[in-house]
Amino acid sequence: GAVVSQHPSRVICKSGTSVKIECRSLDFQATTMFWYRQFPKKSLMLMATSNEGSKATYEQGVEKDKFLINHASLTLSTLTVTSAHPEDSSFYICSARDSGLLADTQYFGPGTRLTVL
Amino acid sequence: GENVEQHPSTLSVQEGDSAVIKCTYSDSASNYFPWYKQELGKGPQLIIDIRSNVGEKKDQRIAVTLNKTAKHFSLHITETQPEDSAVYFCAASRSGAVRDDKIIFGKGTRLHILP
Repeated sequence: GAVVSQHPSRVICKSGTSVKIECRSLDFQATTMFWYRQFPKKSLMLMATSNEGSKATYEQGVEKDKFLINHASLTLSTLTVTSAHPEDSSFYICSARDSGLLADTQYFGPGTRLTVL
Repeated sequence: GENVEQHPSTLSVQEGDSAVIKCTYSDSASNYFPWYKQELGKGPQLIIDIRSNVGEKKDQRIAVTLNKTAKHFSLHITETQPEDSAVYFCAASRSGAVRDDKIIFGKGTRLHILP
């Protein structure tokens, strides 16, 4: 199946710093990527939809100035958590939608565990 | 908007037996139903999906059924093995409706395979 990578897999940072997470589709093009946040033993919470070459669409309650999303190419989207605080600690997962024939299929990355001290 | 309900939240099955997870959806326009398996500390992995033009799809020990009239779909795992232990999510979406149409997830089922 299609492969989506995320980097880093795990990051620990101090409160007030910014953290960038990369999401790449390795063997397909993705005009649309999604960013999720997942709390322990909970389902995935959609944060924003990232469209190549245009502004991201954020879900209600997600601060766009805090969670900056850039989708500069058909294979790369980045999520930057700005001025991170302990409450931002979570598991962040991206997914990419194949732009090909079966354009509804989403493939997920392995996730990034963010810990803010 | 779409709402996906998933049951049960936890399921324990003896190794070798079958496991069934059921989901219902509310939006009759939904036409794409993927199932994901998530192991601890990892991202969800697509294990099977079904589109509304078919009622059943099978891939080795995994099968999914769809009843459009009743708006429910189910995942069936036969001959369960220890490596099947994970959290399973069902989801629904409108395929191809708009570029950034969202997949709506159920709350997940934690499957335990007992030795």
